[in-house]
Amino acid sequence: DGGITQSPKYLFRKEGQNVTLSCEQNLNHDAMYWYRQDPGQGLRLIYYSQIVNDFQKGDIAEGYSVSREKKESFPLTVTSAQKNPTAFYLCASSRGVEQYFGPGTRLTVT
Amino acid sequence: KQEVTQIPAALSVPEGENLVLNCSFTDSAIYNLQWFRQDPGKGLTSLLLIQSSQREQTSGRLNASLDKSSGRSTLYIAASQPGDSATYLCAVYRDNYGQNFVFGPGTRLSVLP
Repeated sequence: DGGITQSPKYLFRKEGQNVTLSCEQNLNHDAMYWYRQDPGQGLRLIYYSQIVNDFQKGDIAEGYSVSREKKESFPLTVTSAQKNPTAFYLCASSRGVEQYFGPGTRLTVT
Repeated sequence: KQEVTQIPAALSVPEGENLVLNCSFTDSAIYNLQWFRQDPGKGLTSLLLIQSSQREQTSGRLNASLDKSSGRSTLYIAASQPGDSATYLCAVYRDNYGQNFVFGPGTRLSVLP
């Protein structure tokens, strides 16, 4: 089955630790995205990548980093510099204008 | 700066009712608008995509319309069912390559049996 997978579903970390969220797609899509979702708010774009080895900052990139070494994979690292990292993180991909989303990772930092 | 709002924030209806969800955006220079459904704790599922040259799209009991000049889109759900209970989000695209989207906060729908 084609789709987008994110792992893990739930992630717990102590403050001050970096953590990496996984996103893999087998849809052969060129573009991939990371969003953050907070209660009562719309999704906000963190980073996006249109092609392998290239990525661009979104609206809220501070405290996050990404890499795009393979077409299928777009991992997101939440660094200790991110002031409010607890949130629901969604990965998406697209070829053209329609976006497809993964199931999300809920990160809790205490 | 593009801003997207959705009214109402929450809606509760009895099963069988027809209902309309609203999405408004401040900058009419959009390329596309997409409606999504999100179940609690899950990712987003695409419902309908309206491209800039279109005025509406239909899929089953769902119909979405787009009026760019007034900065509005509506999602019409006919004969609502309890399984329609979810949060519905709209997203507008700021360019034709899909790299820049702005999402609304969503409308949380409850359909009561």
